[in-house]
Amino acid sequence: RKEVEQDPGPFNVPEGATVAFNCTYSNSASQSFFWYRQDCRKEPKLLMSVYSSGNEDGRFTAQLNRASQYISLLIRDSKLSDSATYLCVVNPRGSGGYNKLIFGAGTRLAVHP
Amino acid sequence: GAGVSQSPSNKVTEKGKDVELRCDPISGHTALYWYRQSLGQGLEFLIYFQGNSAPDKSGLPSDRFSAERTGGSVSTLTIQRTQQEDSAVYLCASSFTADSSYNEQFFGPGTRLTVL
Repeated sequence: RKEVEQDPGPFNVPEGATVAFNCTYSNSASQSFFWYRQDCRKEPKLLMSVYSSGNEDGRFTAQLNRASQYISLLIRDSKLSDSATYLCVVNPRGSGGYNKLIFGAGTRLAVHP
Repeated sequence: GAGVSQSPSNKVTEKGKDVELRCDPISGHTALYWYRQSLGQGLEFLIYFQGNSAPDKSGLPSDRFSAERTGGSVSTLTIQRTQQEDSAVYLCASSFTADSSYNEQFFGPGTRLTVL
């Protein structure tokens, strides 16, 4: 079983749609969680961190369910510019550990006019 | 300010040759990470440095892979006797430190390695 699993998609949605991505992780001791965005043939960039209480940044909402080891990303009012691959990222760092990131394979989103 | 830079951006080599990839982290970042991304795959952790030391080399795929960092800045990833399965994009990232879970890692543009 992969440490971080995501639906690869692609998700094809019209502009203005709401779309949700899910991700599960296997290490229950994981400490921190992120969503990164990767455009085609570009490097990944941090989209947002995911906190236990859930957090929102504009049209983006991230949620964490530690009991189910599940992370989600909701994008409201999709824009053409949201088309990218969204990477679910987990830091399994425990006490005395370090900032190592485990990446999911990514979910591809294509927003069309 | 300048971001993470990597060179070369593209490298084509013949099977069996050695290659050296370079990473220049963001100035002041003490932690540096190497990942690779094969076509259609997620990023795979290779190695990280805190300062000049590499506490975790567990991600290096084989003993043909090695990395070093000198002066707490530039790092080089060396692949000896390259194989076709080494073809991938090699990404470097840096963060202010490796000690905090939420320290953002900033990625360079990567080196696309093709082994013929």
